[in-house]
Amino acid sequence: AQKVTQAQTEISVVEKEDVTLDCVYETRDTTYYLFWYKQPPSGELVFLIRRNSFDEQNEISGRYSWNFQKSTSSFNFTITASQVVDSAVYFCALSDIYTGANSKLTFGKGITLSVRP
Amino acid sequence: GAVVSQHPSRVICKSGTSVKIECRSLDFQATTMFWYRQFPKQSLMLMATSNEGSKATYEQGVEKDKFLINHASLTLSTLTVTSAHPEDSSFYICSAELRGVGYNEQFFGPGTRLTVL
Repeated sequence: AQKVTQAQTEISVVEKEDVTLDCVYETRDTTYYLFWYKQPPSGELVFLIRRNSFDEQNEISGRYSWNFQKSTSSFNFTITASQVVDSAVYFCALSDIYTGANSKLTFGKGITLSVRP
Repeated sequence: GAVVSQHPSRVICKSGTSVKIECRSLDFQATTMFWYRQFPKQSLMLMATSNEGSKATYEQGVEKDKFLINHASLTLSTLTVTSAHPEDSSFYICSAELRGVGYNEQFFGPGTRLTVL
């Protein structure tokens, strides 16, 4: 069974601080995908990144960066120089590889990030 | 591209009534759509997988007679909450699956907030 653990439930930082959101996953599959989504107060899920299990390279996109470590089954997300607009709930998710059927997503419980001015 | 809409965005109804929520893929065909439920401050829980032209597959613990799913076309899936009660109040999110080479991508709708009085 697949499982995603986001141990942090709420994080509060002051604007311009860096913040790291942790994600640990469990799967028996050797091939899988990992995701991060942002859910602002409006409720709509915003896709941030998808990472294939074969690609362990870290990724940077503007103020966002992701650290994928297969050895520790972690896929952590760092926001550099946080801004008030980053305040949202962030979900890490895991999906098995396309098998010709459906690719189900398993979500973590989410981390509520509050960035104070 | 890959836009998914949901209608209505918000609905308030009396206990005992039935409510229909529509999920549409606007610019692609989706053989498969997913329905999630999210209670306040909780994660997204997959309720069912909707396949065009066939019966939906429900997750364990989800009452199929309570949550009727119809996927009559490649761009539309509907979720009907029958005889709704206050405990059914929740945020319902659908996603539509875009099939690609090697991986099927899920695109999420903006969600429907259901309040049952």
